[in-house]
Amino acid sequence: SAVISQKPSRDICQRGTSLTIQCQVDSQVTMMFWYRQQPGQSLTLIATANQGSEATYESGFVIDKFPISRPNLTFSTLTVSNMSPEDSSIYLCSVRRENTGELFFGEGSRLTVL
Amino acid sequence: AQSVTQLDSQVPVFEEAPVELRCNYSSSVSVYLFWYVQYPNQGLQLLLKYLSGSTLVKGINGFEAEFNKSQTSFHLRKPSVHISDTAEYFCAAFRQGGSEKLVFGKGTKLTVNP
Repeated sequence: SAVISQKPSRDICQRGTSLTIQCQVDSQVTMMFWYRQQPGQSLTLIATANQGSEATYESGFVIDKFPISRPNLTFSTLTVSNMSPEDSSIYLCSVRRENTGELFFGEGSRLTVL
Repeated sequence: AQSVTQLDSQVPVFEEAPVELRCNYSSSVSVYLFWYVQYPNQGLQLLLKYLSGSTLVKGINGFEAEFNKSQTSFHLRKPSVHISDTAEYFCAAFRQGGSEKLVFGKGTKLTVNP
């Protein structure tokens, strides 16, 4: 298994500001994934972050709104830009066991936008 | 395209009663199947997984699930629930041999009442 640490665990932000969420893994991984979980909803994949290349975004998510960095094989950041109340969600970082697809998750970052 | 359906959005039960949370998947190829649990204000934790072999899979906290290929189901069961089992449960599927993302169901909220 993998141990994944996310910071911040929660935050309250003002409309129009940006917040960067950090994700640290205790082992080197090829791909890291960022998910969003809106209140009362399931998980939606935002993007896949590969080290040394641009992140791959899912339909409905764009780089300008959710820029991602992946400077090395154990770390990634997700920025939520120009936030609105609709961005209030839990943002989860995860890594995958390659041959089975099993995902390991961080504790999540609970974001409230006022 | 692959999809996962959790037939019940909410399941209320009394403590010590048995419970079954239903999950059906659709895929034209073989899949790996997972159940994740999300306790209040926490991230997702793997409960159990089916990769191959025995169709009855045992997980943590006394949960088990049975893979039924003919019915494309992977229902989660526990013979006697505790108050502490109150959580959101997510079924997920990953296509064998593919590089596609893990697909999640919408989740089932299990509430165990005294």
